[in-house]
Amino acid sequence: EEQLVESGGGLVQPGRSLRLSCAASGFTFRDYVMSWVRQAPGKGLEWVSSISGSSLSTYYADSVKGRFTISRDNSKNMLYLQVNSLRAEDTAVYYCARTGRNPWEGWLDLWGQGTLVSVSS
Amino acid sequence: EIVMTQSPATLSVSPGERATLSCRASQSVSSSLAWYQQKPGQTPRLLIYGASTRATGVPDRFSGRGSGTDFTLTISSLQSEDFAVYYCGQYNNWPPLTFGGGTKVEIK
Repeated sequence: EEQLVESGGGLVQPGRSLRLSCAASGFTFRDYVMSWVRQAPGKGLEWVSSISGSSLSTYYADSVKGRFTISRDNSKNMLYLQVNSLRAEDTAVYYCARTGRNPWEGWLDLWGQGTLVSVSS
Repeated sequence: EIVMTQSPATLSVSPGERATLSCRASQSVSSSLAWYQQKPGQTPRLLIYGASTRATGVPDRFSGRGSGTDFTLTISSLQSEDFAVYYCGQYNNWPPLTFGGGTKVEIK
């Protein structure tokens, strides 16, 4: 069964850091672009970041550029999101999502259950 | 950045009726448009990609149409499990990927 399982969320103070993880299973992880998408409480979906299968290309939303870093370890089938300098507006459920095999295939066809990041003093 | 606008924000429909949801892009996205369904407390699920191709396992009562800037998602006969929030998302010339604000389909 194809599956994505996130972890690493929690309650943190503004300015602090977290590392989110996503464990992939049931498919050839290295073949896919992978993404993080977040959803603030009661709000819609917001794309955060994506990374190519080889890690050569990374992409970020303007709202997180310079503060968040996406990475992956294909030997472990793991996706990561290092989130630094957290702000209240970063409070959201963070979803790991499988994107296409090819750069133009930007649909998100497999989602994890999400991990909640709450930023508050 | 391409802005996606969905209408209406809420759609009240009786079970068995047809529902039509709209999504408009601020500039052409060709057919690079996906639809997602999110039930309360659940993770989003891909329904449609390429504007009209159903994802694996999606019932054929869901259909997508459109290209360029105007798109529709039609649910031909609403079942109880279809009451949810639906998001459109474009992936033409990404990043960024951008999503509409969602349409909530509720029971009338």
